[in-house]
Amino acid sequence: NAGVTQTPKFQVLKTGQSMTLQCAQDMNHEYMSWYRQDPGMGLRLIHYSVGAGITDQGEVPNGYNVSRSTTEDFPLRLLSAAPSQTSVYFCASEGGQGGYTFGSGTRLTVV
Amino acid sequence: AQSVTQLGSHVSVSEGALVLLRCNYSSSVPPYLFWYVQYPNQGLQLLLKYTSAATLVKGINGFEAEFKKSETSFHLTKPSAHMSDAAEYFCAVSDSAWAAGNKLTFGGGTRVLVKP
Repeated sequence: NAGVTQTPKFQVLKTGQSMTLQCAQDMNHEYMSWYRQDPGMGLRLIHYSVGAGITDQGEVPNGYNVSRSTTEDFPLRLLSAAPSQTSVYFCASEGGQGGYTFGSGTRLTVV
Repeated sequence: AQSVTQLGSHVSVSEGALVLLRCNYSSSVPPYLFWYVQYPNQGLQLLLKYTSAATLVKGINGFEAEFKKSETSFHLTKPSAHMSDAAEYFCAVSDSAWAAGNKLTFGGGTRVLVKP
């Protein structure tokens, strides 16, 4: 049981480049979400999904897109990377029991 | 809107001493409260959760937390710190524990250093 798998673990982008952060879970969870973690600010919700075909914005959605074509996958797209998007990104899923399962994170640097 | 405040971004304790991490929340509905732990270069792991049953909640690794409605607090404690407790701890609040899709609001985190 792999849980939540995120790829890549590390990425360096140039300003203006685009990329997709991958997230996959094998627990058949309906709910998935993306958070970014910045020092002293905890985790802030970017986008979330309550099931395949359904997505919604979180607290800090600007500059990011998501889609949910299957229950398993929830990719996060950076449209035009900016230095302010330098952060650690976490994907999480939740199966209705009140506890999230987090991936191990993607550390992104935008130069 | 919900919010969480963790008092102290860094806490230093001696091995064997009490660990106390403070968390205060605000919520317009009866809250569901969580503590997560993050070890270096890893994701977050659930330590314990409060879902309106017993106000004293026991979690993994010897941690426990007490929900105090009058103080809007959910402080995390461990009687005796171990070196392996060195990590960052996050308090989080949600307005639902059971429905898929509940959104968590996190505090800023408290980093715990354990001195030998």
